[in-house]
Amino acid sequence: GAGVSQSPSNKVTEKGKDVELRCDPISGHTALYWYRQSLGQGLEFLIYFQGNSAPDKSGLPSDRFSAERTGGSVSTLTIQRTQQEDSAVYLCASSLRTGGTGNTIYFGEGSWLTVV
Amino acid sequence: AQKITQTQPGMFVQEKEAVTLDCTYDTSDPSYGLFWYKQPSSGEMIFLIYQGSYDQQNATEGRYSLNFQKARKSANLVISASQLGDSAMYFCAMREGLISGTYKYIFGTGTRLKVLA
Repeated sequence: GAGVSQSPSNKVTEKGKDVELRCDPISGHTALYWYRQSLGQGLEFLIYFQGNSAPDKSGLPSDRFSAERTGGSVSTLTIQRTQQEDSAVYLCASSLRTGGTGNTIYFGEGSWLTVV
Repeated sequence: AQKITQTQPGMFVQEKEAVTLDCTYDTSDPSYGLFWYKQPSSGEMIFLIYQGSYDQQNATEGRYSLNFQKARKSANLVISASQLGDSAMYFCAMREGLISGTYKYIFGTGTRLKVLA
């Protein structure tokens, strides 16, 4: 696609429920990143993929968080048993590749998650 | 230790004036990239400018320029001729390369810029 596409754009869920957030990167981009941004805060790294593998998942806050990527394209971020502190904007970004420090990452518009 | 530091939580600038947003970074990797992103109130992250650690010249993109001082480990963003539409949150980011073994981008806490008419 033309840009990074994320869905849903907004999600309100009850505490304890599971949620899935989807990211469709720019066509041809092999690297995919997930970040979390709480209200008024900076960006917190969660995980990145190179192809279908995740070399760095150090930012996942707990074992309730998991992510996968299939076919080198779409990625899903799953949050199990959601808690109120999970409320945030989840931003996905992609870049052409990870090698080379000049690879600019392009962001989607984010998925706004509210846990009530 | 903070890898990216933005010490100005908020800045004001008069329309048509220039403004400098500060960013300092910390890395032992000789190969790294520095980025600036703009986040308007609508929430999307917009790429503005990139500077590579080996680049000899300061990066420029239209009204944006990056004042890269490698020895001081600073990468300040300069916006010339500010416009009302420049009001937004600005994030500095770094991506290490050679030594760190990871290709994640690390973001600062941001500076909120307000352009006054």
